[in-house]
Amino acid sequence: AQSVTQLGSHVSVSEGALVLLRCNYSSSVPPYLFWYVQYPNQGLQLLLKYTTGATLVKGINGFEAEFKKSETSFHLTKPSAHMSDAAEYFCAVRGNQAGTALIFGKGTTLSVSS
Amino acid sequence: KAGVTQTPRYLIKTRGQQVTLSCSPISGHRSVSWYQQTPGQGLQFLFEYFSETQRNKGNFPGRFSGRQFSNSRSEMNVSTLELGDSALYLCASSLVMGGGSYNEQFFGPGTRLTVL
Repeated sequence: AQSVTQLGSHVSVSEGALVLLRCNYSSSVPPYLFWYVQYPNQGLQLLLKYTTGATLVKGINGFEAEFKKSETSFHLTKPSAHMSDAAEYFCAVRGNQAGTALIFGKGTTLSVSS
Repeated sequence: KAGVTQTPRYLIKTRGQQVTLSCSPISGHRSVSWYQQTPGQGLQFLFEYFSETQRNKGNFPGRFSGRQFSNSRSEMNVSTLELGDSALYLCASSLVMGGGSYNEQFFGPGTRLTVL
């Protein structure tokens, strides 16, 4: 069965600092991995995804993530945080090969202070 | 191109009532999935529809049901509402489903259901 664990329900950084949001997964099939962002009172927006190929994935808004099979990790990073990055971030893994259903982590709230 | 739309955006019901939520996918998208988001349980998959057929189902009681129409629009229904059904219900659409390659899911803004 597939599962996702996000370490840290709340991460606080200063503007300009490195953002690191941690995600570990468990999957019985080759994983398709995703990071989504959710702003208050909005739906989810895809930041980036890993399906196959290059293990370093670049996404929108300067975010990137690296797929590490040996560590079963898919951590999200951004070199320099901006106030507008404050939101809730979700890591997800595809539930099975037949469908598009996603299994989500519990989410990490990112706060950015000036 | 218009995004995924969900109606209504907010809904207040009382215990025991039933509710129907609507989702219009992005034009050309044929797969629609539904998720429930609560503070305690997080985001949980409800079901997925493709070509008017339910293809996958999450671990929810039979009170939760859905359907998809020939134009790919989808509705979900919750009968005999309970307090614990209060949640944000998110709909997501994708071009197709599965098939060995991933089709990105685009999410709507959600319907906020409050059960009193």
